[in-house]
Amino acid sequence: AQSVSQHNHHVILSEAASLELGCNYSYGGTVNLFWYVQYPGQHLQLLLKYFSGDPLVKGIKGFEAEFIKSKFSFNLRKPSVQWSDTAEYFCAVKLGGATNKLIFGTGTLLAVQP
Amino acid sequence: DGGITQSPKYLFRKEGQNVTLSCEQNLNHDAMYWYRQDPGQGLRLIYYSQIVNDFQKGDIAEGYSVSREKKESFPLTVTSAQKNPTAFYLCASSTQGGLTGELFFGEGSRLTVL
Repeated sequence: AQSVSQHNHHVILSEAASLELGCNYSYGGTVNLFWYVQYPGQHLQLLLKYFSGDPLVKGIKGFEAEFIKSKFSFNLRKPSVQWSDTAEYFCAVKLGGATNKLIFGTGTLLAVQP
Repeated sequence: DGGITQSPKYLFRKEGQNVTLSCEQNLNHDAMYWYRQDPGQGLRLIYYSQIVNDFQKGDIAEGYSVSREKKESFPLTVTSAQKNPTAFYLCASSTQGGLTGELFFGEGSRLTVL
């Protein structure tokens, strides 16, 4: 069955540290890839997405992610985190086909210490 | 403001009772979804609907039921057959025609079974 793995369950960083959150998926066909973020007390919102073209995609708030097809990965990065980046981050995959059904990873809880 | 409204935000239920969670959207989206969020398990798809009067089971549909009589509404009933109903439930919607994959989420409903 198709799945999405996020290997980091909890990450604690100090402000200004660099961030990389791993995301791997298991599916050999065409995929669209997403990172969603859930700030404390807020609803889930889209951070960035990859559909085609340049495998390095930029999202809101200085986040970026790189799609490496050979590694089935879509890691999220930010060069310098802020306290306001404290949130839970979810990687998601949309398989090729006629629905918008997404498969989500288990999430990574990021805590940024001031 | 356009968006997705879920109600109630918090709900307590006794074992053996059915409960219905409301989800309304005014985004004119064709597709709607119900996810369940549990700590350490990410989001798991319960049911989804791509068009009015049609819906499909997701990965964990057992013990749940839905209806889609109107485009803007997609209520979820948690039945007494659901063995572990205590969870955070998220409703989402998306456009269908563009198949962009972006989901718009509500703020969620937290159900606790006593």
